Amino acid sequence: EAGVAQSPRYKIIEKRQSVAFWCNPISGHATLYWYQQILGQGPKLLIQFQNNGVVDDSQLPKDRFSAERLKGVDSTLKIQPAKLEDSAVYLCASSLIAGDTEAFFGQGTRLTVV
Amino acid sequence: GENVEQHPSTLSVQEGDSAVIKCTYSDSASNYFPWYKQELGKRPQLIIDIRSNVGEKKDQRIAVTLNKTAKHFSLHITETQPEDSAVYFCAAVGGFQKLVFGTGTRLLVSP
Repeated sequence: EAGVAQSPRYKIIEKRQSVAFWCNPISGHATLYWYQQILGQGPKLLIQFQNNGVVDDSQLPKDRFSAERLKGVDSTLKIQPAKLEDSAVYLCASSLIAGDTEAFFGQGTRLTVV
Repeated sequence: GENVEQHPSTLSVQEGDSAVIKCTYSDSASNYFPWYKQELGKRPQLIIDIRSNVGEKKDQRIAVTLNKTAKHFSLHITETQPEDSAVYFCAAVGGFQKLVFGTGTRLLVSP
């Protein structure tokens, strides 16, 4: 089966600019996760969707980050405006059943804010 | 919410030795505990998982144990090989089915 697709793979922007990341989960997977992974740290959950509803976004900096999952399939994560500390790899993952089956990760988007 | 702590942060072993990585979690309702391996520049990939109704699970050289009373779970790798060198993350699924990761353990296996 096809894996989780993410784009772009790399992005370099200046601080205060905006950026968007796209994720296409594995077909049929109801749960979609966005994680932020800063170099040398574990993935930090930003937002978790169940179909097109938000399960948890408690660690999403809502003053600058937003995410949506239209029609319960693809998802977009946006940062506006970006800060230097947003430099990280943004990982999208999906699972068939939330919390009970393997979460498959995409390749990630490496964001550098200069 | 769920909080997962992981130790040690780095672990160096000689090829053929065993490696043990330990995690604790805070949410007593957590019921699913996966372990992921992440090689440099690559995505995390599941290597083994355990559910709360099981105390131990083994897959070739890898085993995971779970102590629900103490809220501990551990990864055991026997007969380590250089290709086991990577960062390993434990994770737990707590309330609202949130998948929360530990901070990671960098394992280095020297030939």
